Amino acid sequence: GAVVSQHPSRVICKSGTSVKIECRSLDFQATTMFWYRQFPKQSLMLMATSNEGSKATYEQGVEKDKFLINHASLTLSTLTVTSAHPEDSSFYICSARGGQHYGYTFGSGTRLTVV
Amino acid sequence: AQSVSQHNHHVILSEAASLELGCNYSYGGTVNLFWYVQYPGQHLQLLLKYFSGDPLVKGIKGFEAEFIKSKFSFNLRKPSVQWSDTAEYFCAVIPYGGATNKLIFGTGTLLAVQP
Repeated sequence: GAVVSQHPSRVICKSGTSVKIECRSLDFQATTMFWYRQFPKQSLMLMATSNEGSKATYEQGVEKDKFLINHASLTLSTLTVTSAHPEDSSFYICSARGGQHYGYTFGSGTRLTVV
Repeated sequence: AQSVSQHNHHVILSEAASLELGCNYSYGGTVNLFWYVQYPGQHLQLLLKYFSGDPLVKGIKGFEAEFIKSKFSFNLRKPSVQWSDTAEYFCAVIPYGGATNKLIFGTGTLLAVQP
């Protein structure tokens, strides 16, 4: 079946530093990948949509300069949280569109803690 | 704005009880509908999906959902829950008509099944 690998699963960083999160589709090509943010006890909020080889489309209210998204190949998208602050601490989840069914396969998520 | 509502935020059931989780959406056009499950410490997994055809959809692990277009609803059901069904359940919708088929999530329902 379709598998999406997200790395790292947990990361702790100091305030002001940048963190990169990788999302890979392992057995299918994902022309579109999505990045979500999940706050405790809340739903997944779509941050941006990335299409291979083009600029990401950000949702309203998401700072594109803070959350840099790169989708350089059909199997890899990265999210870089630049100059992270404690309020950026959250659970970030990627998903890739493709695979066996028309739908979305999700990565296991990354717990980011900024101290 | 398009939205997905899950009115039950937290449900507690005993084993063998029947389950019904509500999901309503606000988009009036063509939609694709999904239910995802997130077991503790794991990533989102697809339970079932509806694209077209028979409005009663059967998914994995004995779950089913019924699409009622007139009510803009896609409720999830299971006749007899097990302790292993303890998880968070998310309803999601892809509304058509936009440039990108974005998956919009409900706020989730946390189900706790007591043995």
